[in-house]
Amino acid sequence: GDSVTQMEGPVTLSEEAFLTINCTYTATGYPSLFWYVQYPGEGLQLLLKATKADDKGSNKGFEATYRKETTSFHLEKGSVQVSDSAVYFCALISSGSARQLTFGSGTQLTVLP
Amino acid sequence: EADIYQTPRYLVIGTGKKITLECSQTMGHDKMYWYQQDPGMELHLIHYSYGVNSTEKGDLSSESTVSRIRTEHFPLTLESARPSHTSQYLCASSSFEETQETQYFGPGTRLLVL
Repeated sequence: GDSVTQMEGPVTLSEEAFLTINCTYTATGYPSLFWYVQYPGEGLQLLLKATKADDKGSNKGFEATYRKETTSFHLEKGSVQVSDSAVYFCALISSGSARQLTFGSGTQLTVLP
Repeated sequence: EADIYQTPRYLVIGTGKKITLECSQTMGHDKMYWYQQDPGMELHLIHYSYGVNSTEKGDLSSESTVSRIRTEHFPLTLESARPSHTSQYLCASSSFEETQETQYFGPGTRLLVL
C-alpha cells in the first residue's frame, strides 16, 4: 500500500537557519504530493503541493520538488522564523489509495529567537 | 482560504455521554473526511463520504458513526463517550472536480472524556 516516511523530529533551529525536512514515499501510479502545516491548537493548512515529477511547490518561502527518481519530496526553507514553529506533515494521494490522503507521522519544528 | 467549520472547538465531557461533533463546509465539496489525531501527532482516517447518503469507514476502527444528509454537513457522533475517545478530531473536505484533490481542513475539535 501507499506510505509516507518523514524525518523524525523534533527539530530545533535558530532563527535564520536553513531548514530541510525529509520526506520519501511509496505509492502506486503517479501520486500528488503535499506538505501541510499545523500551528499550535489549530487544524492543518495546506502549505504547498506538486502533482507531477519535477514540479516544484512553493509558498511562504518554503519549497519542495517532486523527485520521482528518488521518490522524495523534501521540504526546504532558506531562513526560518520563529513564526514557522509548527508541525509539518508530508502527504500523498495516489490512484491506488481510492484517492485518499496518506500522511507521514509529522515533524515538530521549533525555531528559537 | 478554505471555509470549513467545526464546533465545538473544545469539549470536556463525562464517560457515557452521547456527543456530536459538527462539521460544515460552504465550498460545495462532494467529499468529506474525519481524522483522529493522537497525542503523537499522527493522523488516522476514521470516516469518509463521497456524497449525500454515502459514508464509509476509514483505516482506523472507530466506535463513532457519521451521517451525510446534506452536502455541506458531516457530523460525527459518539453514542457513549469513553476516556479512550480523548483525542483531537479533524474534519476535511475536497472536490472531485479538482484533479489534485486538495483536502481542506477545519480547525479541529479537541475532546477530553473524563
